[in-house]
Amino acid sequence: QVQLVQSGAEVKKSGASVKVSCKVSGYSLIEVSVHWVRQVPGKGLEWLGGFDPEEGETMYAQEVQGRVTMTEDTTSGTAYMELSSLRSEDTALYYCATLRDLLSGYRFDYWGQGTLVTVSS
Amino acid sequence: EIVLTQSPGTLSLSPGERATLSCRTSQSVSRSYLGWYQQKPGQAPRLLMYSTYTRATGIPDRFSGSGSGTDFILTIDRVEPEDFAVYYCQAYGNSRNTFGQGTKLEIK
Repeated sequence: QVQLVQSGAEVKKSGASVKVSCKVSGYSLIEVSVHWVRQVPGKGLEWLGGFDPEEGETMYAQEVQGRVTMTEDTTSGTAYMELSSLRSEDTALYYCATLRDLLSGYRFDYWGQGTLVTVSS
Repeated sequence: EIVLTQSPGTLSLSPGERATLSCRTSQSVSRSYLGWYQQKPGQAPRLLMYSTYTRATGIPDRFSGSGSGTDFILTIDRVEPEDFAVYYCQAYGNSRNTFGQGTKLEIK
């Protein structure tokens, strides 16, 4: 049974940083990579980044490039997403999702429950 | 960056009818890199289809996917009450993943 459990909601001031965790069980982070997707309440899904098995490195969306860092601790099975210089537009629900590579069928197959990040001025 | 445009924005149908959801990409996408996700209110997205036409585990066969190049379709034969939700297509290309803006399937 694969489960992704994310850390709790965060409230941050503009300009601060936030770090969200995603504990993966049922999968080894050696066989899958964890990606991050956010959703402004009432809006669509926006891919933020993750380890790209096709490129062999972590790739980020242009919208957050330079402000985001994604890491994985394979020992504990936990992935992290840190976003800095927070703005009000970063207020959203942040999801982690496991990505299967092309050989297995490229897909985001399991998702976390989401972490609400609220940025206030 | 590949742009995904879904249509229609909202689809109003009665249970038992057929749903046809479109996803058009701004440049050609390999069939291997096109997926569909379903999201219900208050829930995380759920994988429906990947590699264009492969159903994810547990997805009923009334869901089917097709398409190639820049035009992809998700079809739901005989829509069931639990199918009313928002549907997103997703593609990988140019080392980036992108989602469409979503199609809301609502009860007529």
